[in-house]
Amino acid sequence: QVQLVESGGGVVQPGRSLRLSCAASGFSFRSFGMHWVRQAPGKGLEWVAVIWYDGSNEYYADSVKGRFTISRDNSRNTLYLQMNSLRSDDTAVYFCARAPLWAPPDYWGQGTLVIVSS
Amino acid sequence: EIVLTQSPGTLSLSPGERATLSCGASQTISNNYLAWYQQKPGQAPRLLIYGASSRATGIPDRFSGSGSGTDFTLTISRLEPEDFAVYYCQQYGSSSFTFGPGTKVDIK
Repeated sequence: QVQLVESGGGVVQPGRSLRLSCAASGFSFRSFGMHWVRQAPGKGLEWVAVIWYDGSNEYYADSVKGRFTISRDNSRNTLYLQMNSLRSDDTAVYFCARAPLWAPPDYWGQGTLVIVSS
Repeated sequence: EIVLTQSPGTLSLSPGERATLSCGASQTISNNYLAWYQQKPGQAPRLLIYGASSRATGIPDRFSGSGSGTDFTLTISRLEPEDFAVYYCQQYGSSSFTFGPGTKVDIK
């Protein structure tokens, strides 16, 4: 069955960096686009970034552009989110999700919590 | 960037009633690439509808989607106890996959 397991969350000081990982199994990882979506405590969903199945394209929300980088290693079935210059408003649960080409995310992980605080 | 709005913010209904949720876009969504998700507390979102009107795998037929262009609707024909949750629309017709702010369906 499809499984997506996020890791790497934790408490980090403002201005510092953190890298999230998403381990995929149960499907052909190299055939699917992958997204990061976040949810601040008590708030709605915010799309963060997407990467094409082959890594050829990446797109970002304006709120993270220039600070976050999405990447993937198809040989390791793993998605990454490198987060630099973290701010308090980056505090959220970060979900990874897979998406077929020209389709919305259909399977989601359970999320990893990132808290940006001094 | 396409901005999505959802109404109402909260919908208070009883089990068995019909729920009608709206999602509006600031510009036309290409190919009607509009999805609906359900989210319960502490859980990841669950895809319900894609392409504005196609049900995702395993979604009961009491959930239906309609609309095109800039105006979309999610209808739950008869609310079951497990349907009380927050519902989000998302557009995936541009390179910025924005979500709406959500509609909470709670028990009256």
